[in-house]
Amino acid sequence: DQQVKQNSPSLSVQEGRISILNCDYTNSMFDYFLWYKKYPAEGPTFLISISSIKDKNEDGRFTVFLNKSAKHLSLHIVPSQPGDSAVYFCAAVRSGGSNYKLTFGKGTLLTVNP
Amino acid sequence: NAGVMQNPRHLVRRRGQEARLRCSPMKGHSHVYWYRQLPEEGLKFMVYLQKENIIDESGMPKERFSAEFPKEGPSILRIQQVVRGDSAAYFCASSPPTGDWLGYTFGSGTRLTVV
Repeated sequence: DQQVKQNSPSLSVQEGRISILNCDYTNSMFDYFLWYKKYPAEGPTFLISISSIKDKNEDGRFTVFLNKSAKHLSLHIVPSQPGDSAVYFCAAVRSGGSNYKLTFGKGTLLTVNP
Repeated sequence: NAGVMQNPRHLVRRRGQEARLRCSPMKGHSHVYWYRQLPEEGLKFMVYLQKENIIDESGMPKERFSAEFPKEGPSILRIQQVVRGDSAAYFCASSPPTGDWLGYTFGSGTRLTVV
């Protein structure tokens, strides 16, 4: 039972254009969402997060949008750069007693072409 | 200030052998979390430890897997009698004493291959 889904295994965009990575979740108890970036042979690195009380959070070139009614979130990268090429994981957590337990999607491999 | 250190980076074991994976948290972090990434999958929570205490091991397989975080030294994830299905990347993360999971810092992982 996959509670966090990233339905696109890969995405390819041109440098300078927008990258949009999507994530869907099924568990309505999730109330905090995170995006991690992972390069080959390295551990995941925290990128940006959003609380369920918000619908948008922005940090430089990265913006995360949350649509609670659709149980959908997306990560926008503008403009995309070749160094952004990596696997991006969406993760969700239920705050409260087990707020340390992240549920990850399978990831989307982003390739930014020069 | 070194990050989360995991060793070895790569580990090859024959079926039936034991695998020991080590994790040293960031300085000042006393909470350790282990996650496993099977091929083509996302990371899955295994266990949450504090010094000398297992807080939540709900993600650990019931048999052959154990974890500890002693008063001194690194956290150890131990897999006894490994099987091919244990081949995966094992990531450790740590956070400060407040248990702030937004402070998750992952190590580079140990890639276990069972032959």
